[in-house]
Amino acid sequence: EAGVAQSPRYKIIEKRQSVAFWCNPISGHATLYWYQQILGQGPKLLIQFQNNGVVDDSQLPKDRFSAERLKGVDSTLKIQPAKLEDSAVYLCASSFIREVRSHGYTFGSGTRLTVV
Amino acid sequence: AQSVAQPEDQVNVAEGNPLTVKCTYSVSGNPYLFWYVQYPNRGLQFLLKYITGDNLVKGSYGFEAEFNKSQTSFHLKKPSALVSDSALYFCAVRPISSGSARQLTFGSGTQLTVLP
Repeated sequence: EAGVAQSPRYKIIEKRQSVAFWCNPISGHATLYWYQQILGQGPKLLIQFQNNGVVDDSQLPKDRFSAERLKGVDSTLKIQPAKLEDSAVYLCASSFIREVRSHGYTFGSGTRLTVV
Repeated sequence: AQSVAQPEDQVNVAEGNPLTVKCTYSVSGNPYLFWYVQYPNRGLQFLLKYITGDNLVKGSYGFEAEFNKSQTSFHLKKPSALVSDSALYFCAVRPISSGSARQLTFGSGTQLTVLP
């Protein structure tokens, strides 16, 4: 079974520039999550999708962050404009509804963003 | 709202000795509890979970964890540590009865270093 794919692996941008991350979840996984992991901290949920609908985006800084999952499969997360404090690893995870009873959620390798 | 506390930022143990990584949680109702491990520049890898049933759960690579409802704890343990166990460990919680919002809440992580 293929895992959760994320790209790019690394990205360095200047502050005030824009950036986009891409995630392809495991086939058949209806639920998709974006987490932000700042160095030295645990991952923090940014947004959760169920198919192509948003379930929870309460912690997404909507003035600069946006995310979409138009066809209920792939997802993109965008930051515009970026700030220095956005430097972090952005993790994508997916789950099938029943899978939480097996091994929880499957995470991608993440995109490491550095804002200079 | 749920929360997870990992009181130790760093745990050092000699190879061959038993290890414990502590985790306490706060959640409304009964929890699903997880441990994940993160190696440098890698995503989160599932170790084990508690869903229901036996309070002692066994997971990958010889790790186990004990669910203690009265103490709201879910400590990670291993009888004999290996140098290769050195990594960052995250505890995570999700309430069982959370409707469509199935996101995990993570602790801040514990860096485990096993000394040869």
